Amino acid sequence: EPEVTQTPSHQVTQMGQEVILRCVPISNHLYFYWYRQILGQKVEFLVSFYNNEISEKSEIFDDQFSVERPDGSNFTLKIRSTKLEDSAMYFCASTSGTSGSNEQFFGPGTRLTVL
Amino acid sequence: AQSVSQHNHHVILSEAASLELGCNYSYGGTVNLFWYVQYPGQHLQLLLKYFSGDPLVKGIKGFEAEFIKSKFSFNLRKPSVQWSDTAEYFCAVNAYGNFGNEKLTFGTGTRLTIIP
Repeated sequence: EPEVTQTPSHQVTQMGQEVILRCVPISNHLYFYWYRQILGQKVEFLVSFYNNEISEKSEIFDDQFSVERPDGSNFTLKIRSTKLEDSAMYFCASTSGTSGSNEQFFGPGTRLTVL
Repeated sequence: AQSVSQHNHHVILSEAASLELGCNYSYGGTVNLFWYVQYPGQHLQLLLKYFSGDPLVKGIKGFEAEFIKSKFSFNLRKPSVQWSDTAEYFCAVNAYGNFGNEKLTFGTGTRLTIIP
């Protein structure tokens, strides 16, 4: 069964450093999402992406964040200058987009630890 | 904007007990409804979903949920829980028909602990 994959599974970085989290969505999917879950809290929407542009972003997704689909398969989330409060689990998700009621398939997540 | 409330933060049950986890949502339009489960150390997995039709939906592992539109509720049920059901359960909604941006809004989650 096709699945969403994410790398790395765990990323440790120093505050102020740039990180890139990678996702490979399911191959025929067209809509992509990033969510995050701070330890002990709920899953929060960050950004949605379609046709090589952002569809919507939350207030969490400030200028330090960016997304791109550089090669037609990977979908990346970049945090330009990490802060302690960026420590969280980051989930990528994708949907096929063939109707208005699609299931989102989630990846296993990347645990980001900012020291 | 939609919002989701899960009023049970932590539920502790013995094996074989019946389970009902509450979920209420707020949104002015038609929604799709989901329950996700997150086992310790694992990622989100879809338990069940409601898009339209029969308001009683059945999912994996013996779970079911009932959509009651008049109460804006989508409670999760299981008649007899097992120790392996210990996990975090998240209710989520998205706006129906919002093509290209079906972002999910999650509730705060309910931690379920099953005592053997």
